[in-house]
Amino acid sequence: AQSVTQPDIHITVSEGASLELRCNYSYGATPYLFWYVQSPGQGLQLLLKYFSGDTLVQGIKGFEAEFKRSQSSFNLRKPSVHWSDAAEYFCAVGADTGGFKTIFGAGTRLFVKA
Amino acid sequence: EAGVTQSPTHLIKTRGQQATLRCSPISGHTSVYWYQQALGLGLQFLLWYDEGEERNRGNFPPRFSGRQFPNYSSELNVNALELEDSALYLCASSYIVGDETNEKLFFGSGTQLSVL
Repeated sequence: AQSVTQPDIHITVSEGASLELRCNYSYGATPYLFWYVQSPGQGLQLLLKYFSGDTLVQGIKGFEAEFKRSQSSFNLRKPSVHWSDAAEYFCAVGADTGGFKTIFGAGTRLFVKA
Repeated sequence: EAGVTQSPTHLIKTRGQQATLRCSPISGHTSVYWYQQALGLGLQFLLWYDEGEERNRGNFPPRFSGRQFPNYSSELNVNALELEDSALYLCASSYIVGDETNEKLFFGSGTQLSVL
């Protein structure tokens, strides 16, 4: 069965510092992998997605994620965090199982301190 | 505690028809979100209702509409169905704690809409 684990419930980083949000997934085949961001008062916004090809994926807002099959991971990174990045981030894995379904992680809340 | 419930699980319609999808949020949750999940595209934000009002809308045509009832349940209506409307429609609910927007989305399992 598909599953997504985001080990960190919340993370606090200083503005300008680098960021890495962890995501591990479980799926028997090559999955579709996503990172979504949820800013306060907003719905989910897709940051980036990985289907195939280059394992380093560039997304919006300066985010990137790297797919590592050997580790079943899809960690999200940003070299320099801005205060506006404070939000909740959801990793998700999707699969075409007779109807496209996506499993989301529990989310990681990012706090940015000045 | 019951989670977000959506009905029906599957819905088959033909092009040009109307579809109505329903969502019941978690008790105490006042916000309901609708997402479209088309094959390979991830979630696409559709609508957000809070306290009975539409708060935000995604980039979808007006034939996608909805409403939220006094008990916070919600309906999503799709008129004049097109083939590309075939997708999984996810509903999520959330709550606000005090003055802090501390929304965590709780998703239902979705309605699989197939337009033939």
